[in-house]
Amino acid sequence: AQTVTQSQPEMSVQEAETVTLSCTYDTSENNYYLFWYKQPPSRQMILVIRQEAYKQQNATENRFSVNFQKAAKSFSLKISDSQLGDTAMYFCAFMKHQTQGGSEKLVFGKGMKLTVNP
Amino acid sequence: DGGITQSPKYLFRKEGQNVTLSCEQNLNHDAMYWYRQDPGQGLRLIYYSQIVNDFQKGDIAEGYSVSREKKESFPLTVTSAQKNPTAFYLCASSKDRGETQYFGPGTRLLVL
Repeated sequence: AQTVTQSQPEMSVQEAETVTLSCTYDTSENNYYLFWYKQPPSRQMILVIRQEAYKQQNATENRFSVNFQKAAKSFSLKISDSQLGDTAMYFCAFMKHQTQGGSEKLVFGKGMKLTVNP
Repeated sequence: DGGITQSPKYLFRKEGQNVTLSCEQNLNHDAMYWYRQDPGQGLRLIYYSQIVNDFQKGDIAEGYSVSREKKESFPLTVTSAQKNPTAFYLCASSKDRGETQYFGPGTRLLVL
């Protein structure tokens, strides 16, 4: 079974600074996907970024980028130029690639609370 | 606007009562999912459906039931057999296998 670990339960950062959120996962699979989701106080889960395991290039999405280390099973999220609206819970998630049958379920970490201070 | 809607936003259940949570999407997605979120926890999969008239149990299906009669709709019933139903329930959908899952706004279920 796959597991996702977010070891930092809470972090804070000053507005405009850079912050890195860590995530490690455990799997014996070779093909899979990794995600970072954001859950603001409204509680809606919002996709931040997605990484395919077969791609060596790290995904980027505007101020958000990842450091994907497949051998180390590490998937950290870097937020540059932090904004007040980045304040939220951040969840790292894993999804196994299924060629046939089975669930494409997301396996989530327990989340990390990020606070951006003015 | 395309998206996923969930209703109601808040739901109260009495002891021994079945309640149904609604999830509708107009994204033309084939797959739909129900997750449960407890305080301080990530999400756990309850049920999922990859096509109409087909659904499968997830990790914590006991005490829940679903139907998928239409592509757009995937309602979740919390039965009286679910002894600890208080949680935040999130519905998601994805276009196909391996595609990103997008979430609705959620329903908070409380027991009276």
